[in-house]
Amino acid sequence: DVKVTQSSRYLVKRTGEKVFLECVQDMDHENMFWYRQDPGLGLRLIYFSYDVKMKEKGDIPEGYSVSREKKERFSLILESASTNQTSMYLCASSFLAVSTAQETQYFGPGTRLLVL
Amino acid sequence: DAKTTQPNSMESNEEEPVHLPCNHSTISGTDYIHWYRQLPSQGPEYVIHGLTSNVNNRMASLAIAEDRKSSTLILHRATLRDAAVYYCILRHLANFGNEKLTFGTGTRLTIIP
Repeated sequence: DVKVTQSSRYLVKRTGEKVFLECVQDMDHENMFWYRQDPGLGLRLIYFSYDVKMKEKGDIPEGYSVSREKKERFSLILESASTNQTSMYLCASSFLAVSTAQETQYFGPGTRLLVL
Repeated sequence: DAKTTQPNSMESNEEEPVHLPCNHSTISGTDYIHWYRQLPSQGPEYVIHGLTSNVNNRMASLAIAEDRKSSTLILHRATLRDAAVYYCILRHLANFGNEKLTFGTGTRLTIIP
């Protein structure tokens, strides 16, 4: 089974702190994604990556950056955490399919971040 | 991605079949129908997908209407562990750069013991 792990299930940080969320997948997937999930807003894509050292902005990249130095690891960085970044953060991975129509994304368990 | 419509919530008794409907009247000929579910306090999980023909896997079955404007996810024998929010999603063919999944509000399935 594909496994996507995230470094923390719960995290509490203070406004202005730099926050690192780590994600690791064990299936040699090319694609990796960071979403945030908020009540009433569904999942929103923050950043994704097709390969090592490659990154693409999603729908809501402001206030975030990412790092992909190794194929299996994709990190989300909150440069200066703010209260409106309190959310559930979900990492996902998938093979680089010829067509997204048949692509399956595998999600980690999520990190619930609270910024005070 | 084209829009899907699902009931907000459904209930079912344990060990009975569950039929979760999804309407997608604006589906295009190259859209695949995907289902994911999200168990409490977990990330979403892929369930099944299909294009035109009905599909079966170890988790569920997917019945697709002949005109493809609707589909039904079938859990043959629901257990308490199937209590989750189920999302129906349409995905375009050959849209490199459109990898993001767009989840609507889904159907919250409650299983009654």
